[in-house]
Amino acid sequence: EAQVTQNPRYLITVTGKKLTVTCSQNMNHEYMSWYRQDPGLGLRQIYYSMNVEVTDKGDVPEGYKVSRKEKRNFPLILESPSPNQTSLYFCASSFRPAGEQFFGPGTRLTVL
Amino acid sequence: SQKIEQNSEALNIQEGKTATLTCNYTNYSPAYLQWYRQDPGRGPVFLLLIRENEKEKRKERLKVTFDTTLKQSLFHITASQPADSATYLCALLSGAGSYQLTFGKGTKLSVIP
Repeated sequence: EAQVTQNPRYLITVTGKKLTVTCSQNMNHEYMSWYRQDPGLGLRQIYYSMNVEVTDKGDVPEGYKVSRKEKRNFPLILESPSPNQTSLYFCASSFRPAGEQFFGPGTRLTVL
Repeated sequence: SQKIEQNSEALNIQEGKTATLTCNYTNYSPAYLQWYRQDPGRGPVFLLLIRENEKEKRKERLKVTFDTTLKQSLFHITASQPADSATYLCALLSGAGSYQLTFGKGTKLSVIP
């Protein structure tokens, strides 16, 4: 089944404790991206990747890192999480930026 | 600055009527505009894509228009049903040669039986 998977789905952590949210797709998509969604602010792009080893900042990259070592995986890294990073995070993938985006199920992160 | 505005945060409509949602943008020159549906707590699901040289696109009960002069897209659901209740998002690339996808904040549609 063609899908985007994210892990974990739910995470409660404390300020400053490094964490990684994984994202994987099985559709051979080149374009992958991370979004955060907050009430009243909508869906905002954090980082995107055009292909392996090619990443670029979206609208809200501060406090986040990404890597794209393999085509199928695009992990989101929070080196030192803070409470303002409490949010619902979505990973998405597609063949190209202007094409249909396939979203993962989301990761609900709470930073205490 | 660049902006995408979906003019209603919420829209209530009677079952069977046509729902019309609006997406306006400023300081963009998008070649494509997309519409997504999002249910609570779930990821957005792609519905339709319309290109700048297309005036209208249809898919079953859905219709999208794209007016690059007005810088506006309209999204219509005809014969609306309670199952159409969801949040609808428009999205576009930031500009020619851009790879950054930007979403509007969405319109929450409620179809009342």
